[in-house]
Amino acid sequence: QVQLQESGPGLVKPSETLSLTCTVSGGSMSSYYWSWIRQPPGKGLEWIAYIYYSGSTNYNPSLKSRVTISADTSKHQFSLKMSSVTAADTAVYYCATLPASYDGSAYYSEHYFDYWGQGTLVTVSS
Amino acid sequence: QSALTQPASVSGSPGQSITISCTGTSSDVGGYKFVSWYQQHPGKAPKLMIYDVSNRPSGVSNRFSGSKSGNTASLTISGLQAEDEAAYYCSSYTSTNYVVFGGGTKLTVL
Repeated sequence: QVQLQESGPGLVKPSETLSLTCTVSGGSMSSYYWSWIRQPPGKGLEWIAYIYYSGSTNYNPSLKSRVTISADTSKHQFSLKMSSVTAADTAVYYCATLPASYDGSAYYSEHYFDYWGQGTLVTVSS
Repeated sequence: QSALTQPASVSGSPGQSITISCTGTSSDVGGYKFVSWYQQHPGKAPKLMIYDVSNRPSGVSNRFSGSKSGNTASLTISGLQAEDEAAYYCSSYTSTNYVVFGGGTKLTVL
């Protein structure tokens, strides 16, 4: 059973960089793709990015220019950095997993999120 | 890529069945068998209920079922129970190689 726990500042000033970390327990880093998803208060879900332990990444095109996802497999952690934040980036940020599958020649991600962290609220305000 | 379209709210009485629709395009819902559904209770993280259109993860009640026709996917909950009251989100893989979510549907059990 995979368990995920988000951590990071709950308050970020406008124009600064949001930084979050997700700590993974109970699962192999190679068995999943590791993702960030956010949810503004009272609104729907938005996928941000994912990373595989090999370093392979994929980003939401609408956020790609401001977002970096990285992983530290030795610490069983992966991280999100989002630059130049505004009030529109205020949201609950979740880390989540996508199962990894192998087609005989390469690994690829499935397209659903099976494990989720509890989420952490990040407010952008001066 | 626009969000998938879901009704804002649906309701039903205990024991009844309800269906939530999720409409996209041929570039997402209609083009792939990669639609999933999530249940979210207030203040909680989403929970995977259906993946790859109609598959249920282990531990999810068989009262939940999924289907797809053309560009519209559907989640059906049969034998409605009070604990089913929650928000439900669909998501789909897209032709631009990422995942898009629906706007969410609030289910009220009367």
